Amino acid sequence: QTVVTQEAAFSVSPGGTVTLTCGLNSGSVSTSHYPSWYQQTPGQAPRTLIYSTNTRSSGVPDRFSGSILGNKAALTITGAQADDESHYYCVLYMGYYIWVFGGGTKLTVL
Amino acid sequence: EVHLVESGGGLIQPGGSLRLSCTGSGFVVSNNHISWVRQAPGKGLEWVSIIYIDGDQHYADFVRGRFTMSRDNSKNTVYLQINNLRADDTAVYYCAPTAAHRFDPWGQGTLVTVSS
Repeated sequence: QTVVTQEAAFSVSPGGTVTLTCGLNSGSVSTSHYPSWYQQTPGQAPRTLIYSTNTRSSGVPDRFSGSILGNKAALTITGAQADDESHYYCVLYMGYYIWVFGGGTKLTVL
Repeated sequence: EVHLVESGGGLIQPGGSLRLSCTGSGFVVSNNHISWVRQAPGKGLEWVSIIYIDGDQHYADFVRGRFTMSRDNSKNTVYLQINNLRADDTAVYYCAPTAAHRFDPWGQGTLVTVSS
């Protein structure tokens, strides 16, 4: 069974830089998985940040960036702000018309 | 502006059935691939299914034949029929256009609660 892995929680200081990762329980993540990233605050619908590995969605500040780091997809937030405190989810395309979300990372800015 | 509204959720007994609706405004639903994604209370996001422009449909393994998507072009609406509901189907169900492997934008979701 495919499991997409994310850090359960992470913290960053205001103004700091943090990299969240998205991996697979078996194998490496590549651009062929078309990783995308979503931000969700409690009680709200998710918001798209990054798709196709590193394309920012419309209106997303350029302090959010996506990449492949080693064998994982990565979301980097540069110059973290208080309102970046959210849950972050990645999703990977596994082929055969199937997508799998990671369990999400709760980011705290303090 | 592209906007989606999900509806049809509610409290349903185990074993029951429900049809969720996803109605678009500002875009033509039949010209887009549309996915359903759900989120159990306090849990993460889970991809459920997709209907392509050509009507082709695909589902997550856990669906096991209980879920069926359909589309009514005259109502600019996509549906998700869920049969034999179980407690672990309790979730907020979101729909979203799907292009370039991106789910965007998202509606506000509709809550399905399965309980006796």
